Amino acid sequence: GQQVMQIPQYQHVQEGEDFTTYCNSSTTLSNIQWYKQRPGGHPVFLIQLVKSGEVKKQKRLTFQFGEAKKNSSLHITATQTTDVGTYFCAGSNTGNQFYFGTGTSLTVIP
Amino acid sequence: NAGVTQTPKFRVLKTGQSMTLLCAQDMNHEYMYWYRQDPGMGLRLIHYSVGEGTTAKGEVPDGYNVSRLKKQNFLLGLESAAPSQTSVYFCASGGWALMPGANVLTFGAGSRLTVL
Repeated sequence: GQQVMQIPQYQHVQEGEDFTTYCNSSTTLSNIQWYKQRPGGHPVFLIQLVKSGEVKKQKRLTFQFGEAKKNSSLHITATQTTDVGTYFCAGSNTGNQFYFGTGTSLTVIP
Repeated sequence: NAGVTQTPKFRVLKTGQSMTLLCAQDMNHEYMYWYRQDPGMGLRLIHYSVGEGTTAKGEVPDGYNVSRLKKQNFLLGLESAAPSQTSVYFCASGGWALMPGANVLTFGAGSRLTVL
Protein backbone atom coordinates (compact mmCIF):
# COMPACT_ATOMS: atom_id res chain seq x y z
CA GLY A 1 0.00 0.00 0.00
CA GLN A 2 0.88 3.62 -0.21
CA GLN A 3 3.35 4.82 2.39
CA VAL A 4 4.23 8.34 3.38
CA MET A 5 7.32 8.78 5.51
CA GLN A 6 8.19 11.96 7.32
CA ILE A 7 11.45 13.05 8.96
CA PRO A 8 12.52 14.01 11.49
CA GLN A 9 10.08 12.69 14.07
CA TYR A 10 11.09 15.35 16.60
CA GLN A 11 12.86 18.68 16.31
CA HIS A 12 13.86 21.10 19.05
CA VAL A 13 15.00 24.55 17.97
CA GLN A 14 15.86 27.80 19.65
CA GLU A 15 13.42 30.56 18.92
CA GLY A 16 14.60 32.37 15.80
CA GLU A 17 16.21 29.31 14.23
CA ASP A 18 14.90 27.75 11.05
CA PHE A 19 13.06 24.43 10.84
CA THR A 20 12.48 21.97 8.02
CA THR A 21 10.46 18.77 7.80
CA TYR A 22 10.58 16.36 4.88
CA CYS A 23 7.93 14.07 3.47
CA ASN A 24 8.57 11.15 1.10
CA SER A 25 6.06 8.92 -0.64
CA SER A 26 6.60 5.44 -2.03
CA THR A 27 4.35 6.32 -4.98
CA THR A 28 3.73 9.34 -7.18
CA LEU A 29 1.17 11.68 -5.71
CA SER A 30 -1.49 13.76 -7.42
CA ASN A 31 -1.36 16.29 -4.62
CA ILE A 32 0.03 16.78 -1.15
CA GLN A 33 -1.38 18.69 1.77
CA TRP A 34 0.16 19.97 4.98
CA TYR A 35 -1.57 20.15 8.34
CA LYS A 36 -0.60 21.53 11.73
CA GLN A 37 -1.74 20.05 15.02
CA ARG A 38 -1.24 22.06 18.18
CA PRO A 39 -0.66 20.08 21.41
CA GLY A 40 -3.99 18.63 22.53
CA GLY A 41 -5.69 19.84 19.38
CA HIS A 42 -6.76 18.52 16.03
CA PRO A 43 -5.06 18.80 12.62
CA VAL A 44 -5.72 22.04 10.79
CA PHE A 45 -5.20 22.45 7.06
CA LEU A 46 -2.31 24.68 6.02
CA ILE A 47 -1.82 24.31 2.29
CA GLN A 48 -2.16 22.08 -0.75
CA LEU A 49 0.37 21.52 -3.55
CA VAL A 50 -0.62 19.93 -6.85
CA LYS A 51 2.00 20.82 -9.47
CA SER A 52 5.41 19.28 -10.00
CA GLY A 53 8.08 21.58 -8.56
CA GLU A 54 5.49 23.87 -6.99
CA VAL A 55 6.59 26.29 -4.29
CA LYS A 56 4.13 28.18 -2.09
CA LYS A 57 4.74 30.60 0.75
CA GLN A 58 2.65 31.61 3.72
CA LYS A 59 4.48 34.35 5.62
CA ARG A 60 7.44 32.51 7.23
CA LEU A 61 6.39 29.08 5.89
CA THR A 62 7.64 27.76 2.55
CA PHE A 63 6.21 24.59 1.03
CA GLN A 64 7.72 22.67 -1.86
CA PHE A 65 6.51 19.77 -4.00
CA GLY A 66 9.21 17.71 -5.68
CA GLU A 67 9.67 17.48 -9.41
CA ALA A 68 8.78 13.78 -9.36
CA LYS A 69 5.75 14.49 -7.10
CA LYS A 70 6.99 11.95 -4.56
CA ASN A 71 8.40 14.29 -1.94
CA SER A 72 7.65 17.55 -0.25
CA SER A 73 9.09 19.84 2.39
CA LEU A 74 7.96 22.50 4.81
CA HIS A 75 10.45 25.14 5.89
CA ILE A 76 9.80 27.66 8.65
CA THR A 77 12.08 30.70 8.81
CA ALA A 78 12.88 32.26 12.17
CA THR A 79 10.65 30.07 14.31
CA GLN A 80 8.41 31.57 16.97
CA THR A 81 6.80 29.93 20.01
CA THR A 82 3.48 30.02 18.15
CA ASP A 83 4.94 27.52 15.65
CA VAL A 84 4.95 24.76 18.29
CA GLY A 85 3.02 21.68 17.23
CA THR A 86 3.15 18.64 15.02
CA TYR A 87 3.29 19.11 11.27
CA PHE A 88 1.84 16.42 9.04
CA CYS A 89 1.99 15.91 5.33
CA ALA A 90 -0.84 14.03 3.67
CA GLY A 91 -0.47 12.57 0.21
CA SER A 92 -3.10 11.45 -2.23
CA ASN A 93 -3.12 9.91 -5.66
CA THR A 94 -6.89 9.83 -6.01
CA GLY A 95 -8.05 13.08 -4.46
CA ASN A 96 -10.29 11.10 -2.10
CA GLN A 97 -7.97 9.10 0.16
CA PHE A 98 -5.25 10.85 2.10
CA TYR A 99 -2.34 9.01 3.67
CA PHE A 100 -0.70 10.93 6.44
CA GLY A 101 2.97 10.96 7.30
CA THR A 102 4.07 10.15 10.83
CA GLY A 103 4.43 13.84 11.61
CA THR A 104 7.25 16.04 12.91
CA SER A 105 6.83 17.41 16.41
CA LEU A 106 8.36 20.88 16.69
CA THR A 107 9.41 22.33 20.03
CA VAL A 108 10.56 25.95 20.10
CA ILE A 109 12.73 26.94 23.03
CA PRO A 110 12.29 30.60 24.01
CA ASN B 1 -20.24 27.58 13.93
CA ALA B 2 -19.83 25.33 10.93
CA GLY B 3 -17.60 22.36 11.41
CA VAL B 4 -17.20 18.75 12.42
CA THR B 5 -18.56 17.57 15.76
CA GLN B 6 -17.53 14.31 17.41
CA THR B 7 -19.23 12.60 20.32
CA PRO B 8 -18.28 11.45 22.86
CA LYS B 9 -15.00 13.26 23.60
CA PHE B 10 -13.84 10.64 26.08
CA ARG B 11 -14.83 7.07 26.74
CA VAL B 12 -13.46 4.18 28.77
CA LEU B 13 -14.46 0.66 27.78
CA LYS B 14 -13.75 -2.80 29.06
CA THR B 15 -12.41 -5.42 26.68
CA GLY B 16 -15.25 -6.95 24.71
CA GLN B 17 -17.67 -4.06 25.08
CA SER B 18 -19.11 -2.30 22.07
CA MET B 19 -19.60 1.36 21.33
CA THR B 20 -20.29 3.84 18.56
CA LEU B 21 -18.54 7.13 17.85
CA LEU B 22 -20.64 9.73 16.10
CA CYS B 23 -19.38 12.32 13.67
CA ALA B 24 -21.59 15.10 12.34
CA GLN B 25 -20.72 17.80 9.81
CA ASP B 26 -22.79 20.75 8.70
CA MET B 27 -20.75 21.80 5.66
CA ASN B 28 -22.59 19.61 3.15
CA HIS B 29 -19.39 17.72 2.41
CA GLU B 30 -19.56 14.55 0.35
CA TYR B 31 -16.50 12.89 1.83
CA MET B 32 -16.06 11.78 5.41
CA TYR B 33 -13.21 9.92 7.09
CA TRP B 34 -12.29 8.20 10.33
CA TYR B 35 -8.65 8.24 11.43
CA ARG B 36 -6.92 6.96 14.52
CA GLN B 37 -3.87 8.65 15.98
CA ASP B 38 -1.29 6.79 18.03
CA PRO B 39 2.08 8.09 19.30
CA GLY B 40 4.73 7.87 16.60
CA MET B 41 2.25 6.48 14.07
CA GLY B 42 0.70 9.62 12.69
CA LEU B 43 -2.87 9.46 11.46
CA ARG B 44 -4.03 6.18 9.99
CA LEU B 45 -7.15 5.92 7.89
CA ILE B 46 -9.71 3.43 9.22
CA HIS B 47 -12.69 3.83 6.90
CA TYR B 48 -14.01 6.53 4.67
CA SER B 49 -17.11 7.46 2.69
CA VAL B 50 -17.47 9.24 -0.61
CA GLY B 51 -21.17 9.86 -0.21
CA GLU B 52 -24.37 8.95 1.58
CA GLY B 53 -24.87 5.20 1.70
CA THR B 54 -21.28 4.37 0.68
CA THR B 55 -18.30 3.27 2.75
CA ALA B 56 -14.84 1.92 2.00
CA LYS B 57 -11.92 0.46 3.91
CA GLY B 58 -8.80 2.41 4.68
CA GLU B 59 -5.40 1.29 5.98
CA VAL B 60 -6.50 -0.24 9.30
CA PRO B 61 -10.17 -1.30 9.06
CA ASP B 62 -10.08 -4.51 11.10
CA GLY B 63 -12.21 -4.43 14.24
CA TYR B 64 -14.25 -1.42 13.09
CA ASN B 65 -17.45 -0.90 11.15
CA VAL B 66 -18.95 2.28 9.77
CA SER B 67 -22.21 3.57 8.40
CA ARG B 68 -23.21 6.67 6.44
CA LEU B 69 -27.01 6.60 6.45
CA LYS B 70 -27.26 10.38 6.26
CA LYS B 71 -24.92 12.69 4.40
CA GLN B 72 -24.10 14.70 7.48
CA ASN B 73 -23.34 11.76 9.78
CA PHE B 74 -20.60 9.12 9.79
CA LEU B 75 -20.64 6.52 12.55
CA LEU B 76 -17.69 4.40 13.67
CA GLY B 77 -18.51 1.24 15.57
CA LEU B 78 -16.40 -1.10 17.66
CA GLU B 79 -18.22 -4.41 18.05
CA SER B 80 -15.84 -5.98 20.58
CA ALA B 81 -13.29 -3.51 21.90
CA ALA B 82 -9.68 -4.59 22.43
CA PRO B 83 -6.85 -2.80 24.29
CA SER B 84 -5.11 -2.30 20.92
CA GLN B 85 -7.97 0.03 19.99
CA THR B 86 -6.99 2.49 22.70
CA SER B 87 -6.35 5.62 20.69
CA VAL B 88 -7.51 9.08 19.76
CA TYR B 89 -10.04 8.95 16.95
CA PHE B 90 -10.49 11.83 14.55
CA CYS B 91 -13.30 12.32 12.12
CA ALA B 92 -12.79 14.54 9.11
CA SER B 93 -14.94 15.76 6.27
CA GLY B 94 -13.75 16.75 2.83
CA GLY B 95 -14.54 19.97 1.03
CA TRP B 96 -13.28 21.05 -2.35
CA ALA B 97 -9.94 22.80 -2.52
CA LEU B 98 -9.33 25.52 -5.09
CA MET B 99 -8.25 22.77 -7.50
CA PRO B 100 -11.27 20.59 -8.25
CA GLY B 101 -10.66 16.92 -7.64
CA ALA B 102 -8.91 17.25 -4.30
CA ASN B 103 -10.35 17.53 -0.85
CA VAL B 104 -9.33 19.75 2.02
CA LEU B 105 -9.97 17.98 5.28
CA THR B 106 -11.73 19.61 8.22
CA PHE B 107 -11.18 17.65 11.42
CA GLY B 108 -13.28 17.23 14.51
CA ALA B 109 -11.83 17.76 17.98
CA GLY B 110 -11.18 14.06 18.50
CA SER B 111 -12.51 11.27 20.72
CA ARG B 112 -10.15 9.69 23.22
CA LEU B 113 -10.95 6.03 23.76
CA THR B 114 -9.36 3.83 26.40
CA VAL B 115 -9.96 0.09 26.41
CA LEU B 116 -9.06 -1.68 29.64
